[in-house]
Parts: sequence; C-alpha cells; structure tokens
Amino acid sequence: QKEVEQNSGPLSVPEGAIASLNCTYSDRGSQSFFWYRQYSGKSPELIMSIYSNGDKEDGRFTAQLNKASQYVSLLIRDSQPSDSATYLCAVKLAGGGADGLTFGKGTHLIIQP
Amino acid sequence: GAGVSQSPRYKVAKRGQDVALRCDPISGHVSLFWYQQALGQGPEFLTYFQNEAQLDKSGLPSDRFFAERPEGSVSTLKIQRTQQEDSAVYLCASSRAGVIETQYFGPGTRLLVL
Repeated sequence: QKEVEQNSGPLSVPEGAIASLNCTYSDRGSQSFFWYRQYSGKSPELIMSIYSNGDKEDGRFTAQLNKASQYVSLLIRDSQPSDSATYLCAVKLAGGGADGLTFGKGTHLIIQP
Repeated sequence: GAGVSQSPRYKVAKRGQDVALRCDPISGHVSLFWYQQALGQGPEFLTYFQNEAQLDKSGLPSDRFFAERPEGSVSTLKIQRTQQEDSAVYLCASSRAGVIETQYFGPGTRLLVL
C-alpha cells in the first residue's frame, strides 16, 4: 500500500461548481499536510498547508483534515478553467522515515467551461 | 524576491555519461531538498540538507547518485554513469528552516538519458 493515495482521475467538474479532491495516508502519526498544484510542464506550487483537524479556508480553497480517518481533502469553490491542473497531496510522515515530503500521484482536475 | 532556480532546464545525456544538476535556493533558506519526478507520478524524495549538512539521503536510488551543498547555499546533484531509468524531472525545493516549513520548488531539470 502506497503511503499517500490519491485518485489519479481525470476529475471533470463544470465551471462554477465545487471540485472535491481527496487523499488518504497510511502513517497515523503524521502531523503536516500540504496541497500543491502543478500545471503541465511546471513545478509544484503550494496551495494550502494544514496541521490541525478541521477546516482551513483560503479564498476559494478549503482544506479539510481528519486524522482519525487519515484523510485530507481540498475543496475548490466556484471552479475556474484556470484551476485545471494536477493537484498533489503531500504528507510529512512521522514514522521515522525520510525527512522530505511524501507525495501522492496527483489528481488531474479538468474544469469544463 | 527571487525564487528557487535550477540549471540546466533540460539535459540530454548518453547512457553512461555523468551529469551535474545545479540548484540555487531562495536566499537565506536553510533547508534544501531534491526530488525526482517521473512522468505521471508525484515527486519522490531523494535527499535533504540543512545548511551544508546532508541530514537524509535515504531516497537516493543508488550509489550513482551524489549530492552536495558545500557552503550551505548552492547544491549540486550528480548522477554518474547515467541509465535510461534515470530519465525524469529533478526538482529542487527550499524552505526557511526545517522539514515541516513550506517548501518552494524550482522549475526543475528535465533529464533524458538516451
């Protein structure tokens, strides 16, 4: 089982709707969670970080964390065509593993005009 | 201010050739990370520096991979005797301090080994 799992998609959402991206992780002790957006041929850019259970909102983006269920999600409200990209979930695993982030494969999001 | 820069942006190497990839982190950032991203995959951690100290190299796939950051700023990732499976995008990221701080990524070096 991969340590960070995401549905690779593509996830197709009409413009103006809410896009919901999900991620599960295997290390129960993990404390730091990140969502990165990556446009094709570009490098990842940070969208949100979240460290505590519950919701964290930043503009059109809301990150949700549930440590008991080992689940983190990203909601994008009022989706725009410019939101079309791959969204990477990244976790700093706690289990004495590597010091870097562990990434999922990413979910390819398509916003249909 | 300036972001993370990497050079070269593209590198084509013949199998067996040695390559060196450079990363200039954001000024003042203590932590520097190297990741490898294969097509259609998320980045995979290679190694981590805090200043000039290489604190974690657990992700380096073989002893052909070597990284250094001698003065605690610029870092070089060297791959000896390149193989076709080394073809990937190599991403460098830096953060102000520590592994849970926000990591800012450079544009990457796309390596193609023929």
